[in-house]
Amino acid sequence: QLQLQESGSGLVKPSQTLSLTCAVSGGSISSGDYSWTWIRQPPGKGLEWIGYISHSGNTYYSPSLESRLTMSVDRSKNQFSLRLMSVTAADTAVYYCGRTSLAYPFMDVWGQGTTVTVSS
Amino acid sequence: EIVMTQSPATLSVSSGERATLSCRASQSVSSNLAWYQQKPGQAPRLLIYGASTRATGIPARFSGSGSGTEFTLTISSLQSEDFAVYYCQQYDNWPPLTFGGGTTVDIK
Repeated sequence: QLQLQESGSGLVKPSQTLSLTCAVSGGSISSGDYSWTWIRQPPGKGLEWIGYISHSGNTYYSPSLESRLTMSVDRSKNQFSLRLMSVTAADTAVYYCGRTSLAYPFMDVWGQGTTVTVSS
Repeated sequence: EIVMTQSPATLSVSSGERATLSCRASQSVSSNLAWYQQKPGQAPRLLIYGASTRATGIPARFSGSGSGTEFTLTISSLQSEDFAVYYCQQYDNWPPLTFGGGTTVDIK
């Protein structure tokens, strides 16, 4: 059974870079059938899609975050990562990683989420 | 960007009753729509994809319908564990993938 686990910086200062990793267990990140996604949820609000990376490293980013965002895959560690630069308080949220099918990007497996707070 | 609008924002229902949740897209998304359930402090869970196909392990009391711009999630007989927030998400025209604002189903 595939499981995802987020980890990374829980507290980030404004203007710095937020870095998160999603570890994949119970399956291979290199599977050609799936791609990998980041979603976030600000406190008390709804879900916001951040970006998507395929097993081969092709990326699609939210237009509102694209200029600050980098996603990558590390096949040797079976994990994928997110880096968001120049953060502000508006980036405070619970960040989730998820698995999507290659053809249809809905999320069928989710991590438990990790809280990131942007504050000085 | 396709805007997804859910209604109502809050639905108060008694256990055992039927709940009907709506999701509208700003343009056609064909049947490329998913529904998720989220309970407090938990990650969302996939309920429905392809507008009407239940995900693995989802009880038959959950059903989805619709295509184009109008979609419905129906819970035929609410159980205590069904009180939660429900989100729709389109994956027809992206990036970006977009979600509705959510419908909270609470106890009447």
